[in-house]
Amino acid sequence: DAKTTQPPSMDCAEGRAANLPCNHSTISGNEYVYWYRQIHSQGPQYIIHGLKNNETNEMASLIITEDRKSSTLILPHATLRDTAVYYCIVKPGGYQKVTFGTGTKLQVIP
Amino acid sequence: DTEVTQTPKHLVMGMTNKKSLKCEQHMGHRAMYWYKQKAKKPPELMFVYSYEKLSINESVPSRFSPECPNSSLLNLHLHALQPEDSALYLCASSQEPVYTGELFFGEGSRLTVL
Repeated sequence: DAKTTQPPSMDCAEGRAANLPCNHSTISGNEYVYWYRQIHSQGPQYIIHGLKNNETNEMASLIITEDRKSSTLILPHATLRDTAVYYCIVKPGGYQKVTFGTGTKLQVIP
Repeated sequence: DTEVTQTPKHLVMGMTNKKSLKCEQHMGHRAMYWYKQKAKKPPELMFVYSYEKLSINESVPSRFSPECPNSSLLNLHLHALQPEDSALYLCASSQEPVYTGELFFGEGSRLTVL
């Protein structure tokens, strides 16, 4: 699996956009970028995934650079409930294993 | 129903005990997973079941014994555990084993080994 690099922690003011970066410079052509988050003492929750194109759903937007070596997860209007550890994962489409890295601890500040 | 249900939520056991963790999903998913998560660490994959057959074992010690009795149910049998096995055990499922979609996680079973 391609390795990912994320900042260990970030702060974001409530109501502002949270932009979480992820570097995956060794990503292969058939590998997808996934984002999960884990709120304290809960199971991880899927947020979004993409291959090449930018993606948006009701939770977030995923921006993937043209060379696919990095991506950004955007939470458009962060709330206190968005405080969590956010994991960026790269995985081939036809592969069973989902391997979590160390993630970014996002703290949303009132 | 989009839930993965894990029981018990908390378990305390001695090193000589035998206990089991249970995971259930009714989404018709054909792949189920066990992860282990130590405090302040990311989840680590332990086992993957595909169509009720064990497809991945990440070199987990034999004191952890998984079982998939049917497509909705996944058990993790625990025997002769060590205090360092204390952790949050997470179950997950996905629609198909080889799939580009999401994993659905349960809330976890928090295990303490005395």
